[in-house]
Amino acid sequence: DIQMTQSPSSLSASLGDRVTITCRASQSISTYLNWYQQKPGKAPKLLIYAASTLQSGVPSRFSGSGSGTDFTLTISSLQPEDFATFYCQQSHSAPTTFGPGTKVDIK
Amino acid sequence: QVQLVQSGAEVKKPGASVKVSCKASGYRFTGHFLHWVRQAPGQGLEWMGWFNPNGGTTYYEQKFQGRVTMTRDLSIDTAYMELSRLRSDDTAVYFCARDSYVSGTSLIYILDFWGQGTLVTVSS
Repeated sequence: DIQMTQSPSSLSASLGDRVTITCRASQSISTYLNWYQQKPGKAPKLLIYAASTLQSGVPSRFSGSGSGTDFTLTISSLQPEDFATFYCQQSHSAPTTFGPGTKVDIK
Repeated sequence: QVQLVQSGAEVKKPGASVKVSCKASGYRFTGHFLHWVRQAPGQGLEWMGWFNPNGGTTYYEQKFQGRVTMTRDLSIDTAYMELSRLRSDDTAVYFCARDSYVSGTSLIYILDFWGQGTLVTVSS
C-alpha cells in the first residue's frame, strides 16, 4: 500500500497569512493526489484533485502543486472559514490512502 | 443537486452487526461508484472499499474482508454497508462518498460528494 505523510501535523496562523501544507507519498503517484478540507462534525469536502485542479466552487485562494512523491496545498490568504483539518489522498492505486491530516487553527 | 443522505446513529454491542444506508439523489445512481470511508473519534480517514451500483460489484480493503458487505436497492437509489462482528475499535463515523467519474464500469478514486456521516458506537 502507498503510505501518505503530511507536515506539519498542525499549525497556527492568522487571518491573511499564506499557509502551505506538504504531503509526501511513499512511492511515485504522478499527479494522482487530491486534497480535502474537513470541519469539525462535518464530512470532508473535495478542494483539489489531480494535484492542481480546483474543484468547482472552491475559492481561488486555494492552490495545489507537485508531482511524483511531493505535493503542496497553499492557501494564499487565510480566511475565517478556512480553519479546518486538511487531508491529502492518493488516487494512484487501490487501496486509496489518506494522509494523517493537518489541522489549521487560529493563532 | 447531488445529495447523499445517510441513516442515523447506531449503538451496538460487541459481536453484533450494523447496516448503514446511503440514499442518493440528484444524479443517476448507477452512473457513479460509491466509496465507504470511516473516521474513528479524533482520528483520520480510513477507506473501506468501493461499490458499483451498476452491477453490484465490490472491492473491499483487505482489513475489512470477511466482515463487510456492500449492497444496494436500485428501486430506492440506496446503498448499504453492513459491518459484522463489531469490536470496540469499530466505533467511528462512517461516510459514503461518490466517485466523481461518470461511468458504470470505472472509477478514479476522487470523492466529490459525501454523505453527512453515521456514528456507530460499539459498547457493551
